[in-house]
Amino acid sequence: SQTIHQWPATLVQPVGSPLSLECTVEGTSNPNLYWYRQAAGRGLQLLFYSVGIGQISSEVPQNLSASRPQDRQFILSSKKLLLSDSGFYLCAWAGTANSPLHFGNGTRLTVT
Amino acid sequence: QKEVEQNSGPLSVPEGAIASLNCTYSDRGSQSFFWYRQYSGKSPELIMFIYSNGDKEDGRFTAQLNKASQYVSLLIRDSQPSDSATYLCAVQNTGGFKTIFGAGTRLFVKA
Repeated sequence: SQTIHQWPATLVQPVGSPLSLECTVEGTSNPNLYWYRQAAGRGLQLLFYSVGIGQISSEVPQNLSASRPQDRQFILSSKKLLLSDSGFYLCAWAGTANSPLHFGNGTRLTVT
Repeated sequence: QKEVEQNSGPLSVPEGAIASLNCTYSDRGSQSFFWYRQYSGKSPELIMFIYSNGDKEDGRFTAQLNKASQYVSLLIRDSQPSDSATYLCAVQNTGGFKTIFGAGTRLFVKA
């Protein structure tokens, strides 16, 4: 069966510090991968998605970036965090187009 | 206009009642529709998906889709206190790679 791992679970970082969140998927090949952010009490905002190694689509202009160095690895990064980057970051995978998303447990990021 | 709209609630129903959750979307070319449940502090979990007009039933849950009206709904029969959560409607855009979420409806089931 397929599993998705996301870490760390919680993170507290000062403004201006770098960020790296990692997500890996097991049990499937060539998944579509996604990063979402959920601000407190809000819906999910799509940040990036990838349909293959090295292929990244950005949905929202911001100081975040994403990379997919391996088929089942998706990384979210920032060089300098802003207070507004605080939120619940969720990685998800889907088997094909039109398939449902399956989420990791999320990373709760607080920028202080 | 938001791409996926839901009533934010909260929706409060007594235990054993039917909870009705609604969602509208703007992309007429959308092909895939999903309902997720999210407990406080947790990640969303898939509870239903529907691709064709009409009703789809799975246990106590029924999803309804009307593409002409751009409307999706979720019915929860025999609601239980454990159903208390935020329900997210999600729609995949034309092409099927991007899934857009509504802001969610908070449901409270009173024992």
